[in-house]
Amino acid sequence: QVQLVQSGAEVKKAGASVKVSCKASGYRFSSHYMHWVRQAPGQGLEWLGRINPSGGVTTYAQKFQDRVTLTRDTSTGTVYMELRSLRSQDTAAYYCARDRGQWELSYYFDFWGQGTLVSVSS
Amino acid sequence: QSALTQPASVSGSPGQSITISCTGTSSDIGGHDFVSWYQQLPGTAPRLMIYDVTNRPSGVSTRFSGSKSGNTASLTISGLQTGDEADYYCSSFTAGSTPLVFGGGTKVTVL
Repeated sequence: QVQLVQSGAEVKKAGASVKVSCKASGYRFSSHYMHWVRQAPGQGLEWLGRINPSGGVTTYAQKFQDRVTLTRDTSTGTVYMELRSLRSQDTAAYYCARDRGQWELSYYFDFWGQGTLVSVSS
Repeated sequence: QSALTQPASVSGSPGQSITISCTGTSSDIGGHDFVSWYQQLPGTAPRLMIYDVTNRPSGVSTRFSGSKSGNTASLTISGLQTGDEADYYCSSFTAGSTPLVFGGGTKVTVL
């Protein structure tokens, strides 16, 4: 069965960086794009970007273009999200989410990680 | 401020039908049929309920249906049940510099 298992909660100071991992299993890792979505406490969903695990090509939301980097390790089936220059407004649960399309991009997310809470203090 | 506009809350009695609207522009909802809906139960990750405006993934109840008219998409829940209490989010592909946008979410309450 498809599973996305994320790394544990993080507490960071403003200005620092955080790197969250998402280990995929139960399907062919390279066949589905992976996206990252965040949700601030009590707030809605916000798309950060996506990566093609096959070639590593990425696309980012304009808002995060300068601060986020998505990478992947095909040997372990893991994708990573790094967010730099953290501020208090970045406090949120960060989710990885698998694209529903096989070998194509759909922007529909059929499996999600459990979420990683990143807390940023000033 | 979210790119897509949803009502903050919608409520209904068990067995009734409710509809959640999601309003965008001709650059997103009105420009194509790449619209989806997610259900988020408290403390859990979102779940895909509708994609391509009207399609249900395997395992999603037929009580959930989607539609679109112009720049507004809608999610209808028929035969409302207490287990449907959740937050619901719409999303759409967009022609802008950020290819995916979400609505602000709608809290559904079963009275």
